[in-house]
Amino acid sequence: EAQVTQNPRYLITVTGKKLTVTCSQNMNHEYMSWYRQDPGLGLRQIYYSMNVEVTDKGDVPEGYKVSRKEKRNFPLILESPSPNQTSLYFCASSFRVGGGGNIQYFGAGTRLSVL
Amino acid sequence: AQTVTQSQPEMSVQEAETVTLSCTYDTSENNYYLFWYKQPPSRQMILVIRQEAYKQQNATENRFSVNFQKAAKSFSLKISDSQLGDTAMYFCAFMSQGAQKLVFGQGTRLTINP
Repeated sequence: EAQVTQNPRYLITVTGKKLTVTCSQNMNHEYMSWYRQDPGLGLRQIYYSMNVEVTDKGDVPEGYKVSRKEKRNFPLILESPSPNQTSLYFCASSFRVGGGGNIQYFGAGTRLSVL
Repeated sequence: AQTVTQSQPEMSVQEAETVTLSCTYDTSENNYYLFWYKQPPSRQMILVIRQEAYKQQNATENRFSVNFQKAAKSFSLKISDSQLGDTAMYFCAFMSQGAQKLVFGQGTRLTINP
């Protein structure tokens, strides 16, 4: 089954304790992206990757890191989480289509609470 | 930068009624893509419908259809014969041609009442 898998689904942590949210896709997609969802703001892009070893900042990258060492995996790293990073996080992936308009597939989301 | 605005934070209708969700966007581009995503209580993001700006014909998917008004930069979603399973948050999203990034609106929470 084609899917984007995020882990964990729920996470409660404390300020300053490093954490990683994993994302894996089995569709051989080149493009992967992280979004955060906050009430009244919709989803905003944090980081994205066009292919292995190619990553770039989205609209709200502060406080986050990513890496893309393998095509299927795109982990999101919070090295020193703060309460304002409490949010719902989504990983998404798609084929990289030159003209754009590609359909993105989303993971099930990770609910993060930073105390 | 492109922006997407959904001016209805919440809507509520009775089962079997027709409901229209509004979306406007701001762009200087001529070619782009527009999407509606559904997020039920499970939180999963589900693609409802996709529209290519260079196509004048409005996209339809079963009970879901859009009214795409390019000059007005409006992209509303119509749900016909609404069902309880349509209860969800709905997001309108924009993608530039040649880009991969989705720009989302704030969302509209739709409740279908029995």
